[in-house]
Amino acid sequence: NAGVMQNPRHLVRRRGQEARLRCSPMKGHSHVYWYRQLPEEGLKFMVYLQKENIIDESGMPKERFSAEFPKEGPSILRIQQVVRGDSAAYFCASSPVVPGQGRYNEQFFGPGTRLTVL
Amino acid sequence: DQQVKQNSPSLSVQEGRISILNCDYTNSMFDYFLWYKKYPAEGPTFLISISSIKDKNEDGRFTVFLNKSAKHLSLHIVPSQPGDSAVYFCAASNNAGNMLTFGGGTRLMVKP
Repeated sequence: NAGVMQNPRHLVRRRGQEARLRCSPMKGHSHVYWYRQLPEEGLKFMVYLQKENIIDESGMPKERFSAEFPKEGPSILRIQQVVRGDSAAYFCASSPVVPGQGRYNEQFFGPGTRLTVL
Repeated sequence: DQQVKQNSPSLSVQEGRISILNCDYTNSMFDYFLWYKKYPAEGPTFLISISSIKDKNEDGRFTVFLNKSAKHLSLHIVPSQPGDSAVYFCAASNNAGNMLTFGGGTRLMVKP
């Protein structure tokens, strides 16, 4: 059973360009979470999605950032007009169950995408 | 406002001895706590968790203790092995469970 897949693993963008980060959850998982880790800090929640729905985007910056999880295909985190402060590791996680039920909250993480903005 | 804090950025332990990693939280709505282990250039790996209705959970060499009145939890690793050297993150969730709130991490170094 393949784990959570993220691509690309490394992404370099110049200021003002767009960054697209992809996440394929584990097989059978329909809940996806995105987290951002700035250097020397812990992971910070950004957004929680189910197929075709954004459930909680309370951690997402109001501008330039968007996320989707279409019916078919991977989840996408999109950052428009990137700035140097967007440089970070972006992790995707997936879980098999609805939060609050069963073995809840156990989220399985992908290897991350390291975004560098020049 | 940091709701989950790991006050020790690093910890060095001799192989075979006990490693104790600590975590404090402020949000009394948290009811589920997890520890993740992270190697460089990899994603966090789930290690062990505990529900707020328990005060201890054990899995092999790893034991997590929860003191709700003190809003404190700790991870004990015994005996420590060099392969345990990694960054350990404490995380917490409330009943809604949508998001995990992470501490800043503790880098554990186990010396042979």
